[in-house]
Amino acid sequence: ELKVEQNPLFLSMQEGKNYTIYCNYSTTSDRLYWYRQDPGKSLESLFVLLSNGAVKQEGRLMASLDTKARLSTLHITAAVHDLSATYFCAVAALYSGGGADGLTFGKGTHLIIQP
Amino acid sequence: DAMVIQNPRYQVTQFGKPVTLSCSQTLNHNVMYWYQQKSSQAPKLLFHYYDKDFNNEADTPDNFQSRRPNTSFCFLDIRSPGLGDAAMYLCASRRGGGNEQFFGPGTRLTVL
Repeated sequence: ELKVEQNPLFLSMQEGKNYTIYCNYSTTSDRLYWYRQDPGKSLESLFVLLSNGAVKQEGRLMASLDTKARLSTLHITAAVHDLSATYFCAVAALYSGGGADGLTFGKGTHLIIQP
Repeated sequence: DAMVIQNPRYQVTQFGKPVTLSCSQTLNHNVMYWYQQKSSQAPKLLFHYYDKDFNNEADTPDNFQSRRPNTSFCFLDIRSPGLGDAAMYLCASRRGGGNEQFFGPGTRLTVL
C-alpha cells in the first residue's frame, strides 16, 4: 500500500522567511504532484515532477524530487501572505501497462504566513 | 475553455435519501476520477474509469456507485447517505498516457 507522509502538518511563519515542506512516500513512483488548496476550494496544480532530480520553480515556490530517497520538497522563498493555504503532495503508483492510477495524498501542510 | 465541470456546487440531502453528483469534462480525457475530501483531511480516491473500465478502491463503501455513460460525463451515486458522507467530492480527469490530473471545482455535500 502506498503511503505518503508530509511534514510539517502545520506551519506558521513570518513574511520574508524561507521554509521547506517535506514529502516522503513508501513505494516506487514515477509521478509526484504538489497542489495548493484554499479554504472551501478545489485543488490547484502547482507542480508535476516526473524524474529523479527534477526541479521546478514558479515564483516563490520551488519543488524537487529525489526518487532514490523517495522524497520531494516544496521550498518557499521570502514568503508572502498570499501563499497562505494548505499544500498537498500526492503520488501516483507506478504505471503498469498504461492503466489508470489515482493519486494518494499526504495529509497536507496548513501554512499560515503572518505579516 | 476546456475544463472539468461539477454540478451542483453545493448539495444538501437528507439522511438516507439517494443523491447523485455530476461531473463533465470537455477535455476528451480517457480517465476520470472521483475523490472524497472530508473536512481538514486529504482527498481520498473512491474510484476511477479508464474509458469504460471501472476501478473501485478496495475500501470504498458499497454505498457509493459510479456511472460513466460516455467519455464526457461521470456520475457519483450515493445510495443512502449517512452523516459521515458529508464531504467535498472532487472529480478529476486525465488524458490516457498523460501525467496531469485536472480537478473540477468540487461539490460540497451536506447531509441533514
